[in-house]
Amino acid sequence: DIQMTQSPSSLSASVGDRVTITCQASHDITKYLNWYQQKPGKAPKLLIYDASRLETGVPSRFSGSGSGTDFTFTVSSLQPEDIATYYCQQYDILPCTFGQGTKVEIK
Amino acid sequence: EVQLVESGGDLVKPGGSLRLSCAASGFTFSTYSMHWVRQAPGKGLEWVSSISASSTYKYYADSVKGRFTISRDNPKNSLYLQMNSLRAEDTAVYYCARAFEYRNSPGGYWGQGTLVTVSS
Repeated sequence: DIQMTQSPSSLSASVGDRVTITCQASHDITKYLNWYQQKPGKAPKLLIYDASRLETGVPSRFSGSGSGTDFTFTVSSLQPEDIATYYCQQYDILPCTFGQGTKVEIK
Repeated sequence: EVQLVESGGDLVKPGGSLRLSCAASGFTFSTYSMHWVRQAPGKGLEWVSSISASSTYKYYADSVKGRFTISRDNPKNSLYLQMNSLRAEDTAVYYCARAFEYRNSPGGYWGQGTLVTVSS
């Protein structure tokens, strides 16, 4: 199985800050990476697919980059409503596997 | 509007069985692969199983292989997960999710989840 190593596990930032989360795959997954946002008690919400493509309706302050084994997720200007846990997920090969999650809090 | 609604979650004893359902609407169900993903309380997301559009291909996580069976009824727009020999570590919220059109992965449409609790 492909292992996804996501970091950091948590972070605290101020409103307006730029926030970056990284995800590293144990094998080359080309571009097949999703980024999800999950708020407490809710289902995950897809934000980014194919590593860098913004899902319809998702604010442009969210972005993704990378290919192969190293990926980055960025919130350009953190907003109060962005408080959530974020997960990367590879879908190059089944079983699709998720990162451990990054909990984002407001400082 | 795409909707996925899970049901069937319950409290069950270790070794017991449960069948989860996912009712789909708002899209042509018979043309999409479907997935089950679970989340144990306070933990991360874990992919469980997927089934192709015509049920030809079925895949399982090692943690559930031999105990869980995924199935679907396309005329009824429904996805199922039969869970046998349940263990405490199967306790989780179970989500169904629609795959992308072009790649077999959970995509942008998920249900709200149904809670399975395995405890004596």
